Amino acid sequence: AQKVTQAQTEISVVEKEDVTLDCVYETRDTTYYLFWYKQPPSGELVFLIRRNSFDEQNEISGRYSWNFQKSTSSFNFTITASQVVDSAVYFCALSEEGYSTLTFGKGTMLLVSP
Amino acid sequence: NAGVTQTPKFRVLKTGQSMTLLCAQDMNHEYMYWYRQDPGMGLRLIHYSVGEGTTAKGEVPDGYNVSRLKKQNFLLGLESAAPSQTSVYFCASSFDSRTDTQYFGPGTRLTVL
Repeated sequence: AQKVTQAQTEISVVEKEDVTLDCVYETRDTTYYLFWYKQPPSGELVFLIRRNSFDEQNEISGRYSWNFQKSTSSFNFTITASQVVDSAVYFCALSEEGYSTLTFGKGTMLLVSP
Repeated sequence: NAGVTQTPKFRVLKTGQSMTLLCAQDMNHEYMYWYRQDPGMGLRLIHYSVGEGTTAKGEVPDGYNVSRLKKQNFLLGLESAAPSQTSVYFCASSFDSRTDTQYFGPGTRLTVL
C-alpha cells in the first residue's frame, strides 16, 4: 500500500502567488522521519528538509515553510511569493525505523509562470 | 567536496548488453542506495548497502546486481539489459542510518533499445 500520497499531480501558479503542496503519509511507527526534495528541470534531487515525528513545530526557511500535523498525518509545504526558479517537481518522502526504504510520493510538478 | 557523483551521465544499450553504473561519494557515508525513477512512479529502491562489503535488495531488485568493495563506491550492474530497464538511475548516500538524510547524485539516463 502506498504510504506517501501527493494528491496534486501538477500545479500552475503565476509568479508571486503563494502555493501549498500537500503530503499525506501513512505509518504505524511512532518514530519516523519526513522529507521534502526538489527536482528542478535539470534533474538532480535537492534535499530541502528532514523532520522527525516528535517535532511538530512548523519550520520556516526564507520563502519556504512546512506544516507538520500528526493528527491529520500531513506534512505540507508552502512557498510564499513563488518565483519562476521554484518550478520543479517536489517529492515528499517517509522513512521509518523498521524499514530499509525511503518511500517517496509520486511528486507534484509546480510550474510558476512569469 | 564533490558529494555524490555518478558515471556515466547518459548511456544507450541494446537489449541483452551489459553495463555497470558507478557511484562514488566523498562524504564518508556508510549507507549507499540505488534508485530508479520512472514517469509517474516516483523513486523506487533497487538495492542498498549498509557498509563496505554488504548489499541488500530493495523494492525492485530483479535484473540488477550490486557490489560495494570500497566504502566510497557502489556499483550497479545490468547483466542483460531489457527495454523495461530504460529509466533514470539515481545513487544516494547517507551517514549512518536509514533514517538519515539521503544525498543524491545527478542521475544516469539509460535507454535500452
